[in-house]
Amino acid sequence: QTVVTQEPSLTVSPGGTVTLTCDSSTGAVTSGQSPSWFQQKPGQAPRTLIYDTRNKYSWTPARFSGSLLGGKAALTLSGAQPEDEAEYYCLLSYSGARVFGGGTKLTVL
Amino acid sequence: EVQLVESGGGLVQPGGSLRLSCAASGFTFSSYAMIWVRQAPGKGLEWVSGISNSGGSTYNADSVKGRFTISRDNSKNTLYLQMDSLRAEDTAVYYCAKAQSKTLLAGPSDWGQGTLVIVSS
Repeated sequence: QTVVTQEPSLTVSPGGTVTLTCDSSTGAVTSGQSPSWFQQKPGQAPRTLIYDTRNKYSWTPARFSGSLLGGKAALTLSGAQPEDEAEYYCLLSYSGARVFGGGTKLTVL
Repeated sequence: EVQLVESGGGLVQPGGSLRLSCAASGFTFSSYAMIWVRQAPGKGLEWVSGISNSGGSTYNADSVKGRFTISRDNSKNTLYLQMDSLRAEDTAVYYCAKAQSKTLLAGPSDWGQGTLVIVSS
């Protein structure tokens, strides 16, 4: 069974930078797995931030960026704001399946 | 503006059935694949089912295979999820999502607000 692993929790200071990662049990994450990133705040539906590794939507704040880093998919937040406190999920593609990571709870403190 | 409005959730007994609907507007529904994603209370996201833009191809996660059926009516701009033989572990908020493209396993771009399904006696 394929497992996608994220840091359970991370803390960043306001104005600081933090990188969330997304690791695959099958090996290095590639751009072919079309990594996506989602933000979810308590009581709300998820919101898509990044698709196909690094592409943004019109609503994605510029302080968020996606990349591949050390064999993992990565979401970097530069200049964290209090409103960025949320749960973040990644999503990877495998042949015939799509698998979410377990999520990272990001605290801005 | 893309709008996705789910309905049909509620309380159902184990072994029962429920059909979820997702009314879509603000985009050309027939040009995009559609997705159901669920989230059990206090847990993470799980990809449940996907359907290509034409409805000709579908995907179901192993956890629901043989019990859930995804379908769509492009003339009504509506996505469906027929859920049979429901189990307690199917209790979750079910989200409808518009895919990024017409491809069956394209990732979600836009999300509905979700509908809660509770399976309990």
